[in-house]
Amino acid sequence: SQTIHQWPATLVQPVGSPLSLECTVEGTSNPNLYWYRQAAGRGLQLLFYSIGIDQISSEVPQNLSASRPQDRQFILSSKKLLLSDSGFYLCAWSVFGTLRPGTGELFFGEGSRLTVL
Amino acid sequence: DQQVKQNSPSLSVQEGRISILNCDYTNSMFDYFLWYKKYPAEGPTFLISISSIKDKNEDGRFTVFLNKSAKHLSLHIVPSQPGDSAVYFCAASARGNFNKFYFGSGTKLNVKP
Repeated sequence: SQTIHQWPATLVQPVGSPLSLECTVEGTSNPNLYWYRQAAGRGLQLLFYSIGIDQISSEVPQNLSASRPQDRQFILSSKKLLLSDSGFYLCAWSVFGTLRPGTGELFFGEGSRLTVL
Repeated sequence: DQQVKQNSPSLSVQEGRISILNCDYTNSMFDYFLWYKKYPAEGPTFLISISSIKDKNEDGRFTVFLNKSAKHLSLHIVPSQPGDSAVYFCAASARGNFNKFYFGSGTKLNVKP
């Protein structure tokens, strides 16, 4: 069965410090990978998605970057955090081109709570 | 530019009654819609989905209705249970767009015992 893990679960960082959140997927090959953010009182905002190694698309201009050095590894980074980067970050995966009505096509990790002080 | 909107941030329902959560979208290319349930400090979990070729999909207590002409979908929970209390997100995607999913802002459902 497929599993997705992301870490760390909780992070408190000062403004201007770097960030690295990591996500790995097991039990599937060549997944689409995503980073979403849920800011306080807001919905889920798509930040990045990737259809393959080193293939990253950014949805919104921001202070963050993403990388996919391996097929099932997705990393969210920042060189200098801003206060506005605080939020709940979610990694997710899906399988391209296999829409199966009645099943969930997007599967989420446990989330990482980032607080920038 | 939010393509998927949930205009009710919260909803309170008595146990045993019907919960109706609403969602609107603007992109006519969307053809697959999903509902997710989320508890605090956890990732969302899939609940139910519907393809644009249908107008209704039912799974136990959960039914999703799709009105393509109005670009509107709703989730009905009958009967509502206290364990259903959570934030519900609707999401939409367009086939052929690398399975990108766009989410609404969520509706917090509170089912009172």
